[in-house]
Amino acid sequence: ETGVTQTPRHLVMGMTNKKSLKCEQHLGHNAMYWYKQSAKKPLELMFVYSLEERVENNSVPSRFSPECPNSSHLFLHLHTLQPEDSALYLCASSHAVGTSYQETQYFGPGTRLLVL
Amino acid sequence: AQKVTQAQTEISVVEKEDVTLDCVYETRDTTYYLFWYKQPPSGELVFLIRRNSFDEQNEISGRYSWNFQKSTSSFNFTITASQVVDSAVYFCALSEEDTGRRALTFGSGTRLQVQP
Repeated sequence: ETGVTQTPRHLVMGMTNKKSLKCEQHLGHNAMYWYKQSAKKPLELMFVYSLEERVENNSVPSRFSPECPNSSHLFLHLHTLQPEDSALYLCASSHAVGTSYQETQYFGPGTRLLVL
Repeated sequence: AQKVTQAQTEISVVEKEDVTLDCVYETRDTTYYLFWYKQPPSGELVFLIRRNSFDEQNEISGRYSWNFQKSTSSFNFTITASQVVDSAVYFCALSEEDTGRRALTFGSGTRLQVQP
């Protein structure tokens, strides 16, 4: 079984829709991340969860709402998105030790999102 | 200022050629970590290597080798005898211990095309 899985792999939604992205890790990690990869920008961190608590929100608009019910699952709830939100959304996980997040992050395959 | 610079946007080589991907980083931390990831067309970021700032030994793994030089703040990646399957976007990333940041800072990536 692959370490980090994401569903769906592709998503097309209108600006008035509500959808959710799901991420699951099978590596026994205690930290999970959402990254956004746009066509012409470097990978950008969106959110970090450690032990199911959000520890970082990188100035992300409120139309993106994360949820981490347990250390293995991470969701990104989407509502009233804009066309510029079209991107590849990548989930990652790692083992955080105290306040140190220096361990390797392992990534899922991503969800390619198109907002019409 | 950009913290991780990958000046080569795209490189095209013919199979069996050697190719070096450059990475220059900037940090004030004394403890930091450098990473290389591979992103094939499927989208998943595949971890290749993690190196801490105190270990300047070069590393070789099969056809892959890495040259870490603190004096020039560089962490270059060489693929020997390239193959078509090496075609992907390669990202260099930096993780800084002292600042306590939880995210990886990624370079903009180098797209490698290996022609048969």
